[in-house]
Amino acid sequence: DQQVKQNSPSLSVQEGRISILNCDYTNSMFDYFLWYKKYPAEGPTFLISISSIKDKNEDGRFTVFLNKSAKHLSLHIVPSQPGDSAVYFCAASETGANNLFFGTGTRLTVIP
Amino acid sequence: DTAVSQTPKYLVTQMGNDKSIKCEQNLGHDTMYWYKQDSKKFLKIMFSYNNKELIINETVPNRFSPKSPDKAHLNLHINSLELGDSAVYFCASSPTGTGISPLHFGNGTRLTVT
Repeated sequence: DQQVKQNSPSLSVQEGRISILNCDYTNSMFDYFLWYKKYPAEGPTFLISISSIKDKNEDGRFTVFLNKSAKHLSLHIVPSQPGDSAVYFCAASETGANNLFFGTGTRLTVIP
Repeated sequence: DTAVSQTPKYLVTQMGNDKSIKCEQNLGHDTMYWYKQDSKKFLKIMFSYNNKELIINETVPNRFSPKSPDKAHLNLHINSLELGDSAVYFCASSPTGTGISPLHFGNGTRLTVT
């Protein structure tokens, strides 16, 4: 029973263009959301997060948007760079819990 | 100075064997975790420890036994290994156990059971 879903297993984007990665969740109790980036043979590394009291959080080239009514969040990367090529995991949590629920990841390829 | 380090990186073993994976964090975090990434790339929590105390024990066979000798270490021992145990196991830590602190992951241990 997957509570966090990333329905696109892969995405290819030209360098300099915008990358949009999507994530849906089912548990309405989730109030904190994170994106992780993972290179091969490495562990996931934290990228950006957003709490449910906001609908947007921006950090440099990375922006996360949260639509609570649709239970949907997205990660925008602009401009995309070849070094952004990695697998991106969406994760969600409930305040007070000790667990993060992860999606299955989207492999982003940025083409030079 | 790796923040979360786990050993070994690769582990190939036969069914029925017992093996251990070690994890250490030098971040001073109070909470440590074991996650399993299966063949479908699904990352799922197995255990969570806060200051050496078990907080979360998801539905994991009791062949899996975590041990935390101190808050900087969380080892995973697996008895009677089965083919289905083949996966990548990630150790992680966080400053608190609330889930709102980003987890810091190790680089994973790829376990292959033949």
